[in-house]
Amino acid sequence: DAKTTQPNSMESNEEEPVHLPCNHSTISGTDYIHWYRQLPSQGPEYVIHGLTSNVNNRMASLAIAEDRKSSTLILHRATLRDAAVYYCILRSRQDNYGQNFVFGPGTRLSVLP
Amino acid sequence: DAGITQSPRHKVTETGTPVTLRCHQTENHRYMYWYRQDPGHGLRLIHYSYGVKDTDKGEVSDGYSVSRSKTEDFLLTLESATSSQTSVYFCAIKESGAATYGYTFGSGTRLTVV
Repeated sequence: DAKTTQPNSMESNEEEPVHLPCNHSTISGTDYIHWYRQLPSQGPEYVIHGLTSNVNNRMASLAIAEDRKSSTLILHRATLRDAAVYYCILRSRQDNYGQNFVFGPGTRLSVLP
Repeated sequence: DAGITQSPRHKVTETGTPVTLRCHQTENHRYMYWYRQDPGHGLRLIHYSYGVKDTDKGEVSDGYSVSRSKTEDFLLTLESATSSQTSVYFCAIKESGAATYGYTFGSGTRLTVV
């Protein structure tokens, strides 16, 4: 799978929006963009995924650049519970068993009260 | 949470002893995975299973074996534990191999080899 690049850490104030960037300049046409987050002392949890169009769900929004070389995870109103490590991962449609789902170091988000 | 449990949650063992970690799911999902997480390395895939008795190696499989004799259980065995296998181990399940399906992770097993 193609590689992603994320900032090591970010800070946000509670109740403000947060934009978490991810660069994936070598993305291929069959790669889906997935976001997961890992709260302290827990396993990763699925947040959102997309292919080309922007996506919304109850947790977050995903904005995908027109050339697909970057994406942004948007938390509309950060809460203290959103403090976590956020992972941006590319998943190829051709990866039949999910064995190439690679977690990088992610972005550690701190939320200040 | 979400029908996946790992046991034990914590374990301390001595170098050279065998250790088995268990992942149990109630979702009837076909795909199961074992990852380890270490500082500076993120999560790395150890082994995965795509059905009963169907398993394959991941990125860091040396020193580990797995078994899946029934859909709901995926066992990870360290035949002879070493200090380098001190880590947090996560199990994950997935309903389908398709790229649009997400993974559900367990809460992890913290293993310390002394």
